Amino acid sequence: QMQLQESGPGLVKTSETLSLTCTVSGGSITSSSYFWGWIRQPPGKGLEWIGSIFYSGTTYYNPSLKSRLTMSVDTSNNQFSLRLISVTAADTAVYFCARHGSKILSWFDPWGHGTLVTVSS
Amino acid sequence: DIQMTQSPSALSASVGDRVTITCRASQSISSFLNWYQQKPGKAPNLLIFATSSLQSGVPSRFSGSGSGTDYTLTISSLQPEDFATYYCQQSYSMPYTFGQGTKLEIK
Repeated sequence: QMQLQESGPGLVKTSETLSLTCTVSGGSITSSSYFWGWIRQPPGKGLEWIGSIFYSGTTYYNPSLKSRLTMSVDTSNNQFSLRLISVTAADTAVYFCARHGSKILSWFDPWGHGTLVTVSS
Repeated sequence: DIQMTQSPSALSASVGDRVTITCRASQSISSFLNWYQQKPGKAPNLLIFATSSLQSGVPSRFSGSGSGTDYTLTISSLQPEDFATYYCQQSYSMPYTFGQGTKLEIK
């Protein structure tokens, strides 16, 4: 059974860079059938799709974050990563990684457990 | 971006009740609509994909329907473990967007 696990610092200073990694186990990140995505949830609020990446490195970003966002994939370690620059308190959230099946007509499953990132000066 | 609006935002119900949650898209999403359940401190869990297909392992008391811009999630007979927050999500076009959530509470 596939599992995803987020990792990275739980505290990032304002204006600095947030970096997270998602490690995939129980299956290969190089499957041509799947995309790998990031979703975040500010405390007490709803869900926001951040972006997705294919194993080839093709990326799709939410336009609201595109200017600050970089996603990458490390096939040798079965991982994909997120890098968000110039963070503010508004970037404080639980960050989830998840798999989805295609660009459209797809759904997020499974999900990682999520990791809380707090942005503070 | 496609805006997703759920109603109600919160709902109180009793065990055994039939409950319906509605999700409306700002434009037609051609049945590319998914539903998730989230419990406190946990990741969302996929319940229904493509409007009406039940994810493996999800109880049959959950069902989905809809077309165009209007979609519903129905729980036929609430069980204690169903009290949670529910989100809809469109996959018709990027950026993927979610509804604001419906919190289902015990009456």
